[in-house]
Amino acid sequence: DAKTTQPPSMDCAEGRAANLPCNHSTISGNEYVYWYRQIHSQGPQYIIHGLKNNETNEMASLIITEDRKSSTLILPHATLRDTAVYYCIVKTAWGGSQGNLIFGKGTKLSVKP
Amino acid sequence: DTGVSQDPRHKITKRGQNVTFRCDPISEHNRLYWYRQTLGQGPEFLTYFQNEAQLEKSRLLSDRFSAERPKGSFSTLEIQRTEQGDSAMYLCASSPGGLAVTYEQYFGPGTRLTVT
Repeated sequence: DAKTTQPPSMDCAEGRAANLPCNHSTISGNEYVYWYRQIHSQGPQYIIHGLKNNETNEMASLIITEDRKSSTLILPHATLRDTAVYYCIVKTAWGGSQGNLIFGKGTKLSVKP
Repeated sequence: DTGVSQDPRHKITKRGQNVTFRCDPISEHNRLYWYRQTLGQGPEFLTYFQNEAQLEKSRLLSDRFSAERPKGSFSTLEIQRTEQGDSAMYLCASSPGGLAVTYEQYFGPGTRLTVT
């Protein structure tokens, strides 16, 4: 079962920052937070992941609270092409057969002009 | 294009027929995953290969489903005696192997199956 809670939908104005929250209150010490997104009719796309430090890459920033019970994915300047379903996933580091991702229903982000 | 590819992209079949899907992972990736996604839901894990070995299968993978990766490169997923409930998007993903702690998975575009 998915171990994360996300709002089902969010809207964001084009050019503004999109802040997508995720609650993972039962996260274990060796579990990472991963974010993927799925644009309509495409396969999921990896965005970013982190353990406890904030992370940034060319797509987004990931802010993880100090107690690691929640995180926020930030798209700094959302565009219409960022309209997608965003999935927050907690997953142990690779170490055996636990490689599969457990997806919830995600947050449908709609970026509006 | 060096991404994950899947064939066919769409398949319409009649109930009771057998279907086979193919996945070609990124060439240097030795881990390969199959997922299924129904409308409005997130993808659900079906099975996973490390090279040619099938290491994990979900209980979603009934006896009518079989997956192979004979030479540790491409993989096939076969569904026998299809049922209307098998209608879904079938997604393939791959990731590198090795000693690194974490890996992201790279997904293909999926095969959409419609059983009539």
